[in-house]
Amino acid sequence: GAGVSQTPSNKVTEKGKYVELRCDPISGHTALYWYRQSLGQGPEFLIYFQGTGAADDSGLPNDRFFAVRPEGSVSTLKIQRTERGDSAVYLCASSSQGSGANVLTFGAGSRLTVL
Amino acid sequence: DAKTTQPTSMDCAEGRAANLPCNHSTISGNEYVYWYRQIHSQGPQYIIHGLKNNETNEMASLIITEDRKSSTLILPHATLRDTAVYYCIVRPPNFGNEKLTFGTGTRLTIIP
Repeated sequence: GAGVSQTPSNKVTEKGKYVELRCDPISGHTALYWYRQSLGQGPEFLIYFQGTGAADDSGLPNDRFFAVRPEGSVSTLKIQRTERGDSAVYLCASSSQGSGANVLTFGAGSRLTVL
Repeated sequence: DAKTTQPTSMDCAEGRAANLPCNHSTISGNEYVYWYRQIHSQGPQYIIHGLKNNETNEMASLIITEDRKSSTLILPHATLRDTAVYYCIVRPPNFGNEKLTFGTGTRLTIIP
């Protein structure tokens, strides 16, 4: 597609529930990133995929968070046993491999609210 | 990655040049300076980046001091649509993992 698409745009869930957030990167972009942004803060890195593999998951806060990218395109961020502190905007970005220019294209984000 | 310091907020009159400063006194020789901005309810948007020389594109100009310890992003003729949070980020070139470390940025408000 023309840009990075994220669904749903808004998700409200109850504490303890399981949530999946989807990211469709720009066609042909091999690198995909997930970030989390809390109110008033800058985006915080979660995980980076190169192709199908998670090359850097150092930003995932704990084992309740998991992400997959099985075919090297669409990615899903999965959050188990959600907590109120997980409420944030989850941003996805993609980039061309090997550009070295660090130009990430971001989606509009998925706003997660945990009640 | 080197740490950056930016003012929390700034105002600029519509039609004027907006000059956004960034301090990065611990920058290393191979680290680039990147600027992104985030308009309300949108994801961050790339603006410009540079290493040593001043850079200009259709969106903005980037002025980097000779000692590279600070830089200024210039929006030459600010419009209301330029109201956003502007992030200055410093990082080395990496042809693999291109993750960025965002701070809290400068909230720029364009005044009509």
